[in-house]
Parts: sequence; C-alpha cells; structure tokens
Amino acid sequence: GAGVSQSPRYKVAKRGQDVALRCDPISGHVSLFWYQQALGQGPEFLTYFQNEAQLDKSGLPSDRFFAERPEGSVSTLKIQRTQQEDSAVYLCASSLASPRTGRVHEQYFGPGTRLTVT
Amino acid sequence: SQQGEEDPQALSIQEGENATMNCSYKTSINNLQWYRQNSGRGLVHLILIRSNEREKHSGRLRVTLDTSKKSSSLLITASRAADTASYFCATDGKVSRLTFGEGTQLTVNP
Repeated sequence: GAGVSQSPRYKVAKRGQDVALRCDPISGHVSLFWYQQALGQGPEFLTYFQNEAQLDKSGLPSDRFFAERPEGSVSTLKIQRTQQEDSAVYLCASSLASPRTGRVHEQYFGPGTRLTVT
Repeated sequence: SQQGEEDPQALSIQEGENATMNCSYKTSINNLQWYRQNSGRGLVHLILIRSNEREKHSGRLRVTLDTSKKSSSLLITASRAADTASYFCATDGKVSRLTFGEGTQLTVNP
C-alpha cells in the first residue's frame, strides 16, 4: 500500500513569506507526527496529533509555526513569516499507535519537504 | 535538544566488514529504535528493542541495549555498499514522540 507522502518535496521561500507543507499519512493511522531536521542533525520533534486532536505541540519553535489535522487524516504544517533559520527538512510520520492502548508501533516516515529560506 | 549521542559520527569500512555504531541516551525509556536514512530520503525503520530486552536480531542486524548504562549498539554484519547511509537511534519515553540522536554516517566502500 501507499506510504506516507509529503508535498511539496522542495520549497524555496523568500524571507518573510508564509509556507504550507502537506502530509498524507498512511490510511487508518491514528497518530501523526511532524519533525524538523537541520542539515547534519537528527530529526527533532515538533508536534503530535491523535486523530484530529493536537496532543503535543511543545516542539514548535515559535508561534510562527502552526499545524492542523482537521479531519484526522491529512495534516498541514504552516510557517508564517519564514526566517532563514527555518531552513530544514520537515518530516512527517504516521503510526497505528494510540497512547491509550499502550502498544508501541513503529513510525513510518515520509520523504520530507526540504525548505530553503533565502 | 537531542536526547542522545551516537558514536562514531562517521564510519568508513570495506564491503564485507562489520560495522558497529553506538548510541547513548539520558532519560528512562520505553523502547529504543534504530532508523536508516539515505541521502535526501526519509527515515526507514530498522529494528525496535524494548526496555526489558537486552538483544535483538533482524537479518544482518544485531541490536543490544544496556539500560544500566543508557546505551545501545547496532551491529551490521557483512556490510554491503547499499548499507551506506546515516543511522539514527531514537527513544520514546512517557509520550509517543521519538527523540533522535545526531546519527552516524556509515560509508561502505566496494
């Protein structure tokens, strides 16, 4: 079946522009995560959804970052007034896991969106 | 901030040799996972080891976990050129999110 898809794959934005990054998780996956990966670093957690509920947004670096998943499927990560330090790869992952079941499932990652802010 | 550290940061070996990468972490965990990332691509899950397990095998991969030392190792046996990639360990604790290390860049020379 189809894996996690993300679009666009590459985005170049001028400083100050707003951008929207899309994630299509694997069908039926309850949990959805966004991570930010700077060049040469490991991914860092941004935010987590269980269905349409955003349960953890503690990793969002500023109030310029906003994420939503209104119907519990597709998610959008929006960055307002982009800055050069926002340049990174943004990874989306989905999982069957639900904290309530206590069972851990692996996270399946999309290919990422490489954002370059000039 | 990153939870853990991998070492070495970079490793270069010849095809057929074994590759060992280490990971250390700071807080208590439920599980530790290893992921592979090829250049410009997303992360691929390799193996998960639970906090009450000490060793796990999957094909040419062997993972160990020492919770008393807060460390794990990934061994790739009989390496191939296609194993060239970055390898990350990731931990999860009280919440489902993963906390990644900074990765080891493995180069396998044909």
